[in-house]
Amino acid sequence: DIQMTQSPASLSASVGDRVTITCQASQDIINYVSWYRQKPGKAPKLLIYHASSLERGVPSRFSGSGSGTDFTFTISSLQPEDIATYYCQQYHNLPLTFGGGTKVEIE
Amino acid sequence: EVQLVESGGGLAQPGGSLRLSCSASGSSFDRNAMCWVRQAPGQGLEWVAGVTGSGDGVYYADSVNGRFTIARDNSKNTLYLQMNSLRAEDTAFYYCATTPYYDILTGYLKWGQGTLVIVSS
Repeated sequence: DIQMTQSPASLSASVGDRVTITCQASQDIINYVSWYRQKPGKAPKLLIYHASSLERGVPSRFSGSGSGTDFTFTISSLQPEDIATYYCQQYHNLPLTFGGGTKVEIE
Repeated sequence: EVQLVESGGGLAQPGGSLRLSCSASGSSFDRNAMCWVRQAPGQGLEWVAGVTGSGDGVYYADSVNGRFTIARDNSKNTLYLQMNSLRAEDTAFYYCATTPYYDILTGYLKWGQGTLVIVSS
């Protein structure tokens, strides 16, 4: 199985800050990475697919980059409604696997 | 866009069974592979099983292989997960999700709202 190592596990930042989360795959997954936001008590929501493509209707402050084994997710200007846990996921191979999550809080 | 609504969760005894359903509204249900993903309370995400758009291709996580069965009825726009020989560690929120492809089980996911399964005596 492909392991997805996500960091940090949690972070605290101020409104307006730039926030960056990383995910490292245990093998080359080209660009088959997606990113999700999960608000408390809710289902995950797709934000980014193919490492850098923004899902329709998702605000442009969210972005993704990377290829191969190293991927980055960025919130350019953190908003109060962005309080959530964020997950990366690889879809290069079955079983689909996820990073451990990053809990984002507001300072 | 397809909307997904899960049902069938609840309390089950260890060794017991439950069947989850995922009802899809909107067009093109049979054009997309689908899967189940679970999340133990306060924990991360675990992919459980997937099925192709035709229903002919299935794949399971090792943790549920031989105990769970995924199936779909395209005439009813419904996805199922039959869960047998349930264990305490199967306790989780279960989400159904679509992928963007017909015959490929890998893909990024769009999710339903989830249903809670609790396995306890």
